[in-house]
Amino acid sequence: AQSVTQLGSHVSVSEGALVLLRCNYSSSVPPYLFWYVQYPNQGLQLLLKYTTGATLVKGINGFEAEFKKSETSFHLTKPSAHMSDAAEYFCAVRVNTGTASKLTFGTGTRLQVTL
Amino acid sequence: NAGVMQNPRHLVRRRGQEARLRCSPMKGHSHVYWYRQLPEEGLKFMVYLQKENIIDESGMPKERFSAEFPKEGPSILRIQQVVRGDSAAYFCASSPRTGTANAEAFFGQGTRLTVV
Repeated sequence: AQSVTQLGSHVSVSEGALVLLRCNYSSSVPPYLFWYVQYPNQGLQLLLKYTTGATLVKGINGFEAEFKKSETSFHLTKPSAHMSDAAEYFCAVRVNTGTASKLTFGTGTRLQVTL
Repeated sequence: NAGVMQNPRHLVRRRGQEARLRCSPMKGHSHVYWYRQLPEEGLKFMVYLQKENIIDESGMPKERFSAEFPKEGPSILRIQQVVRGDSAAYFCASSPRTGTANAEAFFGQGTRLTVV
């Protein structure tokens, strides 16, 4: 079975500061990894995903994440935070086994951006 | 191309009533997933359906919950005899296929169920 751990349920950064949201996963087979963002009372929007190939993936809104197999990590970063980045961020892993394919989510990290 | 459409956005039910949540997948998508998000928690997988088939219902509570995805029409998540603990946001996602790297799931905006 696969699982996702997001360290830090709340992260606060100043506007313009580096954003680092941590995600570690466990999976018995090569995973597909995702970061989603959720704004208040909204659905989930895909920020970026890793499937195969280049381990550094770039997403929307200036976010990127690096897949590190040796560390079983997929941390999300953004060089300079903007007020509009305040939201909840979810890391997820997907494992395809035959006909089954489902996402397993972490518990989320709420990002606060201050002036 | 409309996204995943869920309705209603908000649903209030009294204890013991039935709740029906609808999900229309994106055009061309034949795979539907339902997830539940309890307050201050992440999303938990409930069920995965293809047209007229339940593929994986390992996340569904054993009683009162059911799901379908008929040949025509939206997918329905049905909760019978709702209890306060059913209060949550229910999200539907759809994808065009599974088992491939590009089988990305797109999410609807969710239905927020409140049981009073």
